Amino acid sequence: AQSVTQLDSQVPVFEEAPVELRCNYSSSVSVYLFWYVQYPNQGLQLLLKYLSGSTLVESINGFEAEFNKSQTSFHLRKPSVHISDTAEYFCAVSALSGGSNYKLTFGKGTLLTVNP
Amino acid sequence: DAGVIQSPRHEVTEMGQEVTLRCKPISGHNSLFWYRQTMMRGLELLIYFNNNVPIDDSGMPEDRFSAKMPNASFSTLKIQPSEPRDSAVYFCASSPPRTGGRTEAFFGQGTRLTVV
Repeated sequence: AQSVTQLDSQVPVFEEAPVELRCNYSSSVSVYLFWYVQYPNQGLQLLLKYLSGSTLVESINGFEAEFNKSQTSFHLRKPSVHISDTAEYFCAVSALSGGSNYKLTFGKGTLLTVNP
Repeated sequence: DAGVIQSPRHEVTEMGQEVTLRCKPISGHNSLFWYRQTMMRGLELLIYFNNNVPIDDSGMPEDRFSAKMPNASFSTLKIQPSEPRDSAVYFCASSPPRTGGRTEAFFGQGTRLTVV
């Protein structure tokens, strides 16, 4: 069975500062990796995903994540955050779970708070 | 497409009452997931369906919870009898036919359930 660990439950930063949200996973099979964002009182939205190829993936709003197979990590980074980036961020892993079905497992989330 | 539609958005009920949450997945999607989100446990997968068939219900907390998917465009999650500890936000998500787990899940806005 796969699992996802988000090491920080809360990350406060100042506007325009860089940020890194950490994610580690465990799985005995190949995985696909996702970051989702949840704004207050809303559902989760996909931010970016790693399927194959280049280990560095980017989102349209300046976030990037790097897949590191040896360290089983998929950390999310942004060089300069905005107030509007304040949200909860979830790392997720998709892996085979019985037969030919894939299961999407989420971490517990990291609350990013950007202060002026 | 309107996205995944959940109803009601908010539900307040008394302990012991039956609660039914509803979900309409995105047309053409063949996988449907029910998640529960709480501060203590984060985002938990309760059950997921593939082509209307329950694949994994290992996350359903106990017999008071049941889920059905009578057709490709509708699913329900029922709690009977409800208890205060069931208070949470319940999300429904759907995803299109999977190509080996590469596809992300699309989330509804959630149902905030309060059991008093």
